[in-house]
Amino acid sequence: DSGVTQTPKHLITATGQRVTLRCSPRSGDLSVYWYQQSLDQGLQFLIQYYNGEERAKGNILERFSAQQFPDLHSELNLSSLELGDSALYFCASSPASKTNTGELFFGEGSRLTVL
Amino acid sequence: DQQVKQNSPSLSVQEGRISILNCDYTNSMFDYFLWYKKYPAEGPTFLISISSIKDKNEDGRFTVFLNKSAKHLSLHIVPSQPGDSAVYFCAAPGTSYDKVIFGPGTSLSVIP
Repeated sequence: DSGVTQTPKHLITATGQRVTLRCSPRSGDLSVYWYQQSLDQGLQFLIQYYNGEERAKGNILERFSAQQFPDLHSELNLSSLELGDSALYFCASSPASKTNTGELFFGEGSRLTVL
Repeated sequence: DQQVKQNSPSLSVQEGRISILNCDYTNSMFDYFLWYKKYPAEGPTFLISISSIKDKNEDGRFTVFLNKSAKHLSLHIVPSQPGDSAVYFCAAPGTSYDKVIFGPGTSLSVIP
């Protein structure tokens, strides 16, 4: 158990809909990262938050948005869903002691299926 | 532009033998490298890392070698065990340390 909690674990929805994925980082970790893993693809970095502030953006579509709340949990909002958005979405956190090392603690992921 | 590359999507090895997983990178500014392991239905977990000031780091059965001039690193698993069957990702922190860049992964199967 990494200590990172993601909900829901599985989600099935239709094209055009909107979903929210939730992540609770490990206790004390200020950084939250979101990654997308599509079928047969590697982990694509989407966005990072640090203590409530957006710190870095990767290949995140404009239809997607995220935020980190004062209690440090984070939400990833996906709207106007398309078939190609079907993927595993991972959240990860890292402690201040691991800053600059790339050591992340991942949740189990949220599997999104868009029909 | 893929900055971290793993050109072998899969690898099959007999139990007890050595597994060698390879990774190439393009950005010479990277100064830290990691390997993550991922089992099905689980998130990736950190396995081993190496700083660019070293050329080898060992942790039990796992050893990572770094060749900076070739921009190449490899993960050696000796001896390989069936429980090592997983997807292995090579990764590097971005040069501004605000993200971690992952390779596409190599699926290792260790055959009993």
